[in-house]
Formats: sequence, structure tokens, C-alpha cells
Amino acid sequence: AQRVTQPEKLLSVFKGAPVELKCNYSYSGSPELFWYVQYSRQRLQLLLRHISRESIKGFTADLNKGETSFHLKKPFAQEEDSAMYYCALAANSGNTPLVFGKGTRLSVIA
Amino acid sequence: SAVISQKPSRDICQRGTSLTIQCQVDSQVTMMFWYRQQPGQSLTLIATANQGSEATYESGFVIDKFPISRPNLTFSTLTVSNMSPEDSSIYLCSAPPGGRNEQFFGPGTRLTVL
Repeated sequence: AQRVTQPEKLLSVFKGAPVELKCNYSYSGSPELFWYVQYSRQRLQLLLRHISRESIKGFTADLNKGETSFHLKKPFAQEEDSAMYYCALAANSGNTPLVFGKGTRLSVIA
Repeated sequence: SAVISQKPSRDICQRGTSLTIQCQVDSQVTMMFWYRQQPGQSLTLIATANQGSEATYESGFVIDKFPISRPNLTFSTLTVSNMSPEDSSIYLCSAPPGGRNEQFFGPGTRLTVL
């Protein structure tokens, strides 16, 4: 069965401090991992996908198959990063639903 | 990417009534998905709607309670039937354009059942 674990419900950091949002997954095949973000009063939107290996808004995430992790990182947090972050997994076969973690609320303190 | 709209954006309903939520995608997609997000919780998949066939429901969700229509490649509806206060939630539709796994989400429908 597919499972995504985000161990932290809430993470508070000071502006300018590094951020790491943890995500671990369980899946027997080769998954595709995503990070979604939901800002206050906005819809859920895609932030990162592991296959793109890109940096969006200063965030990066590397898939570590050995540790079955896909942690989200940013070297210097900004106040506008405050939001709800969800890690999600899809079986690598296309057109499949996503399994979401419970989410981590990031609060960046000025 | 895909632009997805939902109607209504929110509604307050009486116990025992039904509400139909509409989801429109700006491009043709094979699959559409319906999720529920209960207060303070993550997203839970309700069902997968494939055009031309019956929807596939996840464990804990049944067609009589959540009937789904998928009349064409850009549109789907989810009905929440015989509502109770426990159905109060945000209902979201999503679609993966181009047959990929990344999904784009509608703004959600916030349902309150009294």
C-alpha cells in the first residue's frame, strides 16, 4: 500500500532561517513524488515534482530512495512562505490518483 | 497545466438534502479525481472518474452516497446525497493533464451541513 508520512504538523522558523519539511513514503514500486502548497484562502497548487529536479521559490527537494524520503528544503525562509505544505505520491504509471501526507503548516516568524 | 473551476464555491445545506458539485477543466483529460478534505485534515480520495465508464470508489465511499457523472472529457459532477453534518467538508476535484501524474486542483467547494 502507498503511504506518505509528514511527521511534523506545525513547523515554526524565524525569517532567514533554513527550513526543512520532512516527508517519508512507503511504496513497493517506483513512485513519483510531489510537494503541494496551499496559501491562506488559495487553492492547492503544485510546488515541486521530483522528476523535474527544479528549484521553485527557492525550495528544492531530492528523492532519496534509500531512505524513502523526499524532504523539502529552503536555505532562507521568507514570511511569504507561511502556508500548508503537502507531500504526495503517485504510482509511476500516469493518470493515477495522489496519496497525500497529513500536511505540515509552516509558520515563518518575522 | 490546466485551469479547473468548481461550482458552487460554498454552500450551507440542511440535513437529508443533496448537493451536486460541478467541476470544469479547460482542456480534455482522461481522468478526473474527487477528494474530500475534512476540517484540519489532509485530502482523501473519494473516487476516480473516467469518461465513458463508471466511477471507481475508494474504500469507505459508495456510489449511492456520492454518485458521480462524467459526461465528457472536460466535465464531472459529484453529488453528496442525503447529507448529514459529518459530510461537512471541502470537496475538491483534480485532473492530470497530458496523462501525467501531476494534478491540478479546483478551488474546492466548502460544504456545511446543518
